[in-house]
Amino acid sequence: GESVGLHLPTLSVQEGDNSIINCAYSNSASDYFIWYKQESGKGPQFIIDIRSNMDKRQGQRVTVLLNKTVKHLSLQIAATQPGDSAVYFCANSGTYKYIFGTGTRLKVLA
Amino acid sequence: SQTIHQWPATLVQPVGSPLSLECTVEGTSNPNLYWYRQAAGRGLQLLFYSVGIGQISSEVPQNLSASRPQDRQFILSSKKLLLSDSGFYLCACIRGSATNEKLFFGSGTQLSVL
Repeated sequence: GESVGLHLPTLSVQEGDNSIINCAYSNSASDYFIWYKQESGKGPQFIIDIRSNMDKRQGQRVTVLLNKTVKHLSLQIAATQPGDSAVYFCANSGTYKYIFGTGTRLKVLA
Repeated sequence: SQTIHQWPATLVQPVGSPLSLECTVEGTSNPNLYWYRQAAGRGLQLLFYSVGIGQISSEVPQNLSASRPQDRQFILSSKKLLLSDSGFYLCACIRGSATNEKLFFGSGTQLSVL
């Protein structure tokens, strides 16, 4: 279910390193998954999505991995940049609605 | 491509006052529409969603209500605001009535109830 009441965990990464953000989901019937990036004071922005018939999908500097066996989703950001600092949310599809994960705050250290 | 308009961007309201936040969508027809709330530093809480005109599903019982008077218009209302209603309110849509499609978000309204 949704974990809206929890404070966001933080991941601190050195600029230039790779970042890995993890997400667990509970709805085994979900067949569509999305990662969002939210900068302070703005609405979430779509990053990348993946359907359940795939286990990996790559975009520009980002890769999403899906492990349906353990219901785990991860977002990998290559060569992390200061502009990547934001909160990242995973979401999986339900009936007419999307279920969001807790979110992870990514801090990029200079 | 679709565009979501939300206004106002910032709102300060006294406790007990009414609320009306409006969201309109351009570039798509018959969208699924959503209202989310986000407390500072926390996750996204789904408040309401609508799959068509006049159809509203409520996810969390509270003193808020939603209406969809037109296909691409979604309104969030309250008759009397509480302090706990403060937060960042986000309207979102899925284009058409497709499932397994991207959820697009508006720019949000930061509501402070004092």
